[in-house]
Amino acid sequence: AQTVTQSQPEMSVQEAETVTLSCTYDTSENNYYLFWYKQPPSRQMILVIRQEAYKQQNATENRFSVNFQKAAKSFSLKISDSQLGDTAMYFCAFMKTSYDKVIFGPGTSLSVIP
Amino acid sequence: NAGVTQTPKFQVLKTGQSMTLQCAQDMNHNSMYWYRQDPGMGLRLIYYSASEGTTDKGEVPNGYNVSRLNKREFSLRLESAAPSQTSVYFCASSYLADETQYFGPGTRLLVL
Repeated sequence: AQTVTQSQPEMSVQEAETVTLSCTYDTSENNYYLFWYKQPPSRQMILVIRQEAYKQQNATENRFSVNFQKAAKSFSLKISDSQLGDTAMYFCAFMKTSYDKVIFGPGTSLSVIP
Repeated sequence: NAGVTQTPKFQVLKTGQSMTLQCAQDMNHNSMYWYRQDPGMGLRLIYYSASEGTTDKGEVPNGYNVSRLNKREFSLRLESAAPSQTSVYFCASSYLADETQYFGPGTRLLVL
């Protein structure tokens, strides 16, 4: 069975600085998708970034980028130039290409400090 | 586009009562999902519907039933609510089962 681990329950970063959130996963699949979702205090789940396992190039989305290490089963999220609006829970998630279910990690609570 | 909408936003139930959580999407998505979110446990899949007319159990289906009423709507029913079902419930949808899911705003349920 697939599992997703986020080893940092809480993190903080100064505004305008860079922060990296960690995520590791366990799977025997070769092809799959990985996601980072953001959940601000409003509780809405918002997709931040998505990575296909067959792509070697790391996904980027404006200030958000990932470091995808397939062999190490690691999928970290880097937030550059942190903004107050980045304060949220961040969930790492895994999904097989042939539908099974999305597996979410327990989340990391990120606080951006002015 | 409203995206994914959920009703109600908040509900208090007594143990043993029943209720239905409603979810609708206007993005012409084929797949829809129900999750529950509990502190420290992330999101767990309750049921999903890969396409209109089909439903399947997820990780934590016990105590719940679902209905895929049509392509737009996917409801979650608690027949006899229990305190263990106190949680925040999220509905989500995706165009295909292996594509990005879009989430609704959530329903906060308190069972006393």
